Amino acid sequence: GAVVSQHPSWVICKSGTSVKIECRSLDFQATTMFWYRQFPKQSLMLMATSNEGSKATYEQGVEKDKFLINHASLTLSTLTVTSAHPEDSSFYICSALGNEQFFGPGTRLTVL
Amino acid sequence: AQRVTQPEKLLSVFKGAPVELKCNYSYSGSPELFWYVQYSRQRLQLLLRHISRESIKGFTADLNKGETSFHLKKPFAQEEDSAMYYCALLTGTASKLTFGTGTRLQVTL
Repeated sequence: GAVVSQHPSWVICKSGTSVKIECRSLDFQATTMFWYRQFPKQSLMLMATSNEGSKATYEQGVEKDKFLINHASLTLSTLTVTSAHPEDSSFYICSALGNEQFFGPGTRLTVL
Repeated sequence: AQRVTQPEKLLSVFKGAPVELKCNYSYSGSPELFWYVQYSRQRLQLLLRHISRESIKGFTADLNKGETSFHLKKPFAQEEDSAMYYCALLTGTASKLTFGTGTRLQVTL
């Protein structure tokens, strides 16, 4: 199947700083990518739909100014957590839409 | 609003025993359902989708619109089936997935 990568796989940052997470589709082009958040022992919660060349669509309750999404090419979407705080600590997973959603391995963010 | 319910957080069965992971959904439109699996330290991957009506790794799932269910079944559990299983519902035209809370399947000897 198709491969989706995420970088970094884990990151630790100080409160108040911004963190960028990359999601790449390695062997196919994806007009649409998705960003999820997963709390420990909980399900994946869709945060936003990232559309190449246009603005992301955010789910209800997700702050667009907090979680900036850029989908500048057909193989790359980025999620920037701005002014991160400890409550933003979580596991962030992206997926890229081909003939199905292909998931990345996830990025663990820890905000101190 | 759409919702996917997986009532069991943990299902523990013996090797060779039958498995049934429950999934119920609520959705006003025409449902398209999936089962995803996440093995230890691996990424989420598609196991099967209802429109394919296929059997993958011995697992099957039938969509029952009357009971709004999409239970995952396997007649004889194997150790390598131990994993986290998520039921998911495709909604709208944007290909968005709504996931259930997941069931951890533990197959013991």
